[in-house]
Amino acid sequence: SQQGEEDPQALSIQEGENATMNCSYKTSINNLQWYRQNSGRGLVHLILIRSNEREKHSGRLRVTLDTSKKSSSLLITASRAADTASYFCATGFDYKLSFGAGTTVTVRA
Amino acid sequence: DAGVTQSPTHLIKTRGQQVTLRCSPKSGHDTVSWYQQALGQGPQFIFQYYEEEERQRGNFPDRFSGHQFPNYSSELNVNALLLGDSALYLCASSFSGGTQETQYFGPGTRLLVL
Repeated sequence: SQQGEEDPQALSIQEGENATMNCSYKTSINNLQWYRQNSGRGLVHLILIRSNEREKHSGRLRVTLDTSKKSSSLLITASRAADTASYFCATGFDYKLSFGAGTTVTVRA
Repeated sequence: DAGVTQSPTHLIKTRGQQVTLRCSPKSGHDTVSWYQQALGQGPQFIFQYYEEEERQRGNFPDRFSGHQFPNYSSELNVNALLLGDSALYLCASSFSGGTQETQYFGPGTRLLVL
């Protein structure tokens, strides 16, 4: 069973626009991570936010975490065609990662 | 610095057969986790190996087994293959020192069971 659920399932935006996706989870976590996957290949780690943190930035990425609502959001600013991919949130607890079903992002040129 | 490598990249088997997938962790990493990703789904945790022992296991039957070698590389074995075992199998490595939080993924092995 999946721990997290991403919303929306799919997102189509114009190059240069911002993309926002959300993740909700059910149980306790140590951290929450976001990964990117291109065309069914391996996952690339984007950013990790710990349970005692509320916001984190990395380049064009901004992640927020609200443990009271058990939710997180990932914002990609000034999107590029190369950002076209599936994005997954994963909750970390007890050595394992539990993934959601992902958000498919398409950036149109 | 080589990242996580997996072999083979693709594999076709028939129902009832057995398969072995291999993973070499990123240099400096000593922990290996395996995930199964069905089409259109997120990865699901199978198990994690550390110090050559299974440390944590997800909700997978005993047909799924693994091994970790002294050089930290790992194998995933699946017996009595079912059609539903068709998936992308991902290996991820991490370092046990520090917080062990970030896992680095390999490109995966795509298994098709006919």
